[in-house]
Amino acid sequence: GNSVTQMEGPVTLSEEAFLTINCTYTATGYPSLFWYVQYPGEGLQLLLKATKADDKGSNKGFEATYRKETTSFHLEKGSVQVSDSAVYFCALSDLAGNTPLVFGKGTRLSVIA
Amino acid sequence: DAGVTQSPTHLIKTRGQQVTLRCSPKSGHDTVSWYQQALGQGPQFIFQYYEEEERQRGNFPDRFSGHQFPNYSSELNVNALLLGDSALYLCASSLYYGMSNNQPQHFGDGTRLSIL
Repeated sequence: GNSVTQMEGPVTLSEEAFLTINCTYTATGYPSLFWYVQYPGEGLQLLLKATKADDKGSNKGFEATYRKETTSFHLEKGSVQVSDSAVYFCALSDLAGNTPLVFGKGTRLSVIA
Repeated sequence: DAGVTQSPTHLIKTRGQQVTLRCSPKSGHDTVSWYQQALGQGPQFIFQYYEEEERQRGNFPDRFSGHQFPNYSSELNVNALLLGDSALYLCASSLYYGMSNNQPQHFGDGTRLSIL
């Protein structure tokens, strides 16, 4: 079945540092890939998505590129801020029908001033 | 434009009791999915409702059941509560046929269920 593996946290960075959170997936067919963010006490917010190989999703300075050859969708940001502190989830869904989202376990990011 | 709303925000129950959680989808959405998020884990899919029918189901026992109403809102019911049912329950809404057009699911803030 489909699955997502992302790097375990917590990740602690200083403000303005470079961020990478690794995500790899296993899926049949050609899934859509997502990054969701969860701030303390809140639900999930879609951060970015990519629907086919070599697509780059981007939002709020975050980027991730759909790499079919390495089955990866790593999240990057060039300069993190304290306000980026949250839990980040990599997820996939199958385009065929309404297959539900399959999530990784999440990576907690803490950014210190 | 109201997003996905869930109620209640928090709930405390004891083992063996039954609970009902509620969800109103984002305006214009017709599909509701429920997820369970245990502490420190990613959300896991419970089931999905469209046109008042359960369309897909994850690996959850029959103690978990649901309903969708004509106005697209939904309920999640859990019977015979176990300690392991303690979790954040998330509702997500979407357009059923929008999924094939890459329309994402929108999540509510969840209901935190604690079982004593």
